[in-house]
Amino acid sequence: DVKVTQSSRYLVKRTGEKVFLECVQDMDHENMFWYRQDPGLGLRLIYFSYDVKMKEKGDIPEGYSVSREKKERFSLILESASTNQTSMYLCASSFRRGAFFGQGTRLTVV
Amino acid sequence: AQKVTQAQTEISVVEKEDVTLDCVYETRDTTYYLFWYKQPPSGELVFLIRRNSFDEQNEISGRYSWNFQKSTSSFNFTITASQVVDSAVYFCALSELGTSGSRLTFGEGTQLTVNP
Repeated sequence: DVKVTQSSRYLVKRTGEKVFLECVQDMDHENMFWYRQDPGLGLRLIYFSYDVKMKEKGDIPEGYSVSREKKERFSLILESASTNQTSMYLCASSFRRGAFFGQGTRLTVV
Repeated sequence: AQKVTQAQTEISVVEKEDVTLDCVYETRDTTYYLFWYKQPPSGELVFLIRRNSFDEQNEISGRYSWNFQKSTSSFNFTITASQVVDSAVYFCALSELGTSGSRLTFGEGTQLTVNP
């Protein structure tokens, strides 16, 4: 079974902090994604990566950056956390036009 | 740009009723994939089905069935004889192959509640 692991299930950070959300997959997938999920808005794509060191902006990249130094790991970075970034963050990896998701990180910025 | 619309925000049914979740998509590509995911209260998204744009054959898996109609750009999902355990948020998604990897776009989701 594909396993996608996010480093934290729940996280509380202060406004202005730099926040790292880590995601690791164990199936050698090329594509990895970061989404945020908010009530009534579904899943919105923040960034995705189709290869090591390659990244593409999604629909809502503002306030975020990403890093993919190794194929199995895709990090989402909040450069200076703000309260409007309080959300559920979901990481996914895919190979054949489909995605497998991690358990999600519920981030609260206070 | 690709777009997925799930017009039903919430659906509530009584156990054993059949229920259909609607999904309409927009894409300019001729080659694409469509998906359904289930998100139970635990939060993790569970993959249910993938369908490519060249395969319009409907699919049945137990109590689940999917109706793909390219002419109306729809990919609807039916649960027959619903059960309480079917209560979840269901997402429809579309994947296009871009010049740099494949991007997966989701609809807003439909909250299904099955009451005993």
